[in-house]
Amino acid sequence: DIQMTQSPSSLSASVGDRVTITCRASQTINRYLNWYQHKSGKAPKLLIYAASSLQSGVPSRFSGSGSGTDFTLAITNLQPEDFATYYCQHSYTPPRTFGPGTKVEIK
Amino acid sequence: QLVESGGDVVQPGGSLRLSCAASGFTVSSNYMNWVRQAPGKGLEWVAHIYAGGSTYYADSVKGRFIISRDDSKNTLYLQMSSLRVDDTAIYYCARDEQLWLAPYYFYHMDVWGKGTTVTVS
Repeated sequence: DIQMTQSPSSLSASVGDRVTITCRASQTINRYLNWYQHKSGKAPKLLIYAASSLQSGVPSRFSGSGSGTDFTLAITNLQPEDFATYYCQHSYTPPRTFGPGTKVEIK
Repeated sequence: QLVESGGDVVQPGGSLRLSCAASGFTVSSNYMNWVRQAPGKGLEWVAHIYAGGSTYYADSVKGRFIISRDDSKNTLYLQMSSLRVDDTAIYYCARDEQLWLAPYYFYHMDVWGKGTTVTVS
């Protein structure tokens, strides 16, 4: 099975900051990498699919990059509504494992 | 839209069936998933059913959970048996969108329900 790791596990940032989250797969997954935002008590929300494609309706301050085993989610001009937990997930082959998550907190 | 139901409090070793009613699209034409989040933990992919009916499971639930669908009701199910305390979680159903970005198809969960809570205690 493909294992996913994320770093950092949490970070503190201020409104207006730029933050980056890294995700690594235990084997190459091409661009089969998605990013989700999850707030407590709500349904997870797809942000980025195929490593770098922005889901419809998602603000352009979110961007994704990477291919193979190493991927990055970047959020520029962090907004109050962006404070949440972010997960990467591969869709290369079942089981489609999630990363452990990165909690973005207000500094 | 997806709406889950069926969550409850159940004793260890018990069984439960979760339902996920879809509207606005056809469950049978899409790949569908169950994903869960245990208290204080991250998201865990649980099971997947392809449009053709093939199913896949996380090792943690293999042999105990069954994903299925009723095309006439446009509903996805998760039959859970031999429940354990560590199955306690919010269970979400999610639709897979299949997108062609040459030269490959890509898959991602674009529609999610709000979840239903299962407590094994």
